[in-house]
Amino acid sequence: DTGVSQNPRHKITKRGQNVTFRCDPISEHNRLYWYRQTLGQGPEFLTYFQNEAQLEKSRLLSDRFSAERPKGSFSTLEIQRTEQGDSAMYLCASSLVVSNTEAFFGQGTRLTVV
Amino acid sequence: RKEVEQDPGPFNVPEGATVAFNCTYSNSASQSFFWYRQDCRKEPKLLMSVYSSGNEDGRFTAQLNRASQYISLLIRDSKLSDSATYLCVVNKYRDDKIIFGKGTRLHILP
Repeated sequence: DTGVSQNPRHKITKRGQNVTFRCDPISEHNRLYWYRQTLGQGPEFLTYFQNEAQLEKSRLLSDRFSAERPKGSFSTLEIQRTEQGDSAMYLCASSLVVSNTEAFFGQGTRLTVV
Repeated sequence: RKEVEQDPGPFNVPEGATVAFNCTYSNSASQSFFWYRQDCRKEPKLLMSVYSSGNEDGRFTAQLNRASQYISLLIRDSKLSDSATYLCVVNKYRDDKIIFGKGTRLHILP
């Protein structure tokens, strides 16, 4: 399978715990995005990388959220001290930075904070 | 003004009808435009890119109006399988992030 892979697919955690999600993009893609989606809403931009450089982080993202892409390949998204409001689907997408190229999404990690 | 705005719907239309979605964007420097489709509890998938000259793919037609900063999607002869959420997607070019609208939910009624 050469698509975008996300792990885990589901995560249930207690409030206050830390969680980490992983995304493996399509191998030749140099751009990687993280989005959060709640029911009835479109994907909300969180952050994105070009290779290993984090280009932008949403102002909506608190300091509890951090993302890395250390070698320009896979990426991790960590949420510290989770809150119930963090419950959402976390989507990763990757693309190749050329003109008018689409982004391909992974199946997402569904986080439930109880 | 939000970067990308869509009518949230839902649109409930009978099978065989024609349905049109509009999307407006705020940044005039935007250069790449797409329509994505998202089925319930699934990830978004590209439906079609939107080119300046407009483009058609079977029953689907996408149009871009740069002067008014909106894009549209027309679905003709709608099928039950077209029921989904349709997401409008915009980015400036190369160096900027991809921004999604909130999506328009479509229900095709038998």
